[in-house]
Amino acid sequence: QKEVEQNSGPLSVPEGAIASLNCTYSDRGSQSFFWYRQYSGKSPELIMFIYSNGDKEDGRFTAQLNKASQYVSLLIRDSQPSDSATYLCAVNSGTYKYIFGTGTRLKVLA
Amino acid sequence: DAGVIQSPRHEVTEMGQEVTLRCKPISGHNSLFWYRQTMMRGLELLIYFNNNVPIDDSGMPEDRFSAKMPNASFSTLKIQPSEPRDSAVYFCASSLRGSTEAFFGQGTRLTVV
Repeated sequence: QKEVEQNSGPLSVPEGAIASLNCTYSDRGSQSFFWYRQYSGKSPELIMFIYSNGDKEDGRFTAQLNKASQYVSLLIRDSQPSDSATYLCAVNSGTYKYIFGTGTRLKVLA
Repeated sequence: DAGVIQSPRHEVTEMGQEVTLRCKPISGHNSLFWYRQTMMRGLELLIYFNNNVPIDDSGMPEDRFSAKMPNASFSTLKIQPSEPRDSAVYFCASSLRGSTEAFFGQGTRLTVV
């Protein structure tokens, strides 16, 4: 079993819709959770992090964490073509070790 | 701050040659990571430094790979001798502490022919 799992996609949504990206993890001791966006040929850039159960909102982005289900998600409201990228979920157990998923490719259709 | 700076951005080399990748972390960050990214395996942690000391090099694939951090503002990743299967994008990242968010450099795209 992979430590951090994501559906590779592509996930296609129309412009203006809500994109929902999901991630599951295997280590119950995980403490911090990160979403990175990576455009093709570019480096990953942090868009959100979450430490506590529940929702965390930042502009059009909402991260949701459910530690009991070992599940973290990212919602993107009012999706724009510029949101088309690969979204990487990363999990940290409170030490230095970030475990990355392989990413979900999102395509927002104009 | 200019962010994490890596050089070179692209490197093409012949099999058997030595390759050295360079990284300057964000000033004040005490944790530095080297990652390798491929389509098949995604982002893999190669080595982690804390306060310039290598803490975990279990991700270094073989003895052909070595990394150093002689001071807080500079790190190198060396591959000697290089092989075609080493072709990948190599990222350096730094964070304030090991468990806080990591910031990535622009990466070095390595092609070994």
